[in-house]
Amino acid sequence: AQSVAQPEDQVNVAEGNPLTVKCTYSVSGNPYLFWYVQYPNRGLQFLLKYITGDNLVKGSYGFEAEFNKSQTSFHLKKPSALVSDSALYFCAVRDPDSGGYQKVTFGTGTKLQVIP
Amino acid sequence: DVKVTQSSRYLVKRTGEKVFLECVQDMDHENMFWYRQDPGLGLRLIYFSYDVKMKEKGDIPEGYSVSREKKERFSLILESASTNQTSMYLCASSLLPRTEAFFGQGTRLTVV
Repeated sequence: AQSVAQPEDQVNVAEGNPLTVKCTYSVSGNPYLFWYVQYPNRGLQFLLKYITGDNLVKGSYGFEAEFNKSQTSFHLKKPSALVSDSALYFCAVRDPDSGGYQKVTFGTGTKLQVIP
Repeated sequence: DVKVTQSSRYLVKRTGEKVFLECVQDMDHENMFWYRQDPGLGLRLIYFSYDVKMKEKGDIPEGYSVSREKKERFSLILESASTNQTSMYLCASSLLPRTEAFFGQGTRLTVV
């Protein structure tokens, strides 16, 4: 069975500092990995994904994520945080080798608070 | 841009009522999903559909049913609403299993 963990309920970072939101996963095969962001009272918006290829993936709004197979991690990063980055972030995983229809499993979310 | 539209942003219903949540997408996506979102639990899949009239149970289907009569529309039905179904409900669609999902704005349902 596939699973994903976001070990931090909340991350606080000062504006202008680099930010990292952590995600680890467990799948039987090679994963498809996704990051989404949710602003208050909104649906989720896609940020970036890893399917195959370069381990460093660049996405929307200056975010990037690094796929690390040995550590089964897919941490979200940004070099310089903005107050407007404050939101709820979700990591998600899909196991393409699981057979049948491949559903996505979401993490529990990490609230990012960027302090002015 | 893909647009996924949910019929209501906020709903208040009474216990025992039959509740319909409607979702429409405008990009001809094959796959559509219903999730519920609760604090500390993330998103949990209720049902999904990969084609018209096709549906599959997700992780928490009990107390829910779905309907997909047209490709662009996916409805979630609460047959007899209960207070433990108070939640945020999110509809999503995707073109392929490996592609990203596009979400609606969510329906916050309160059952009293």
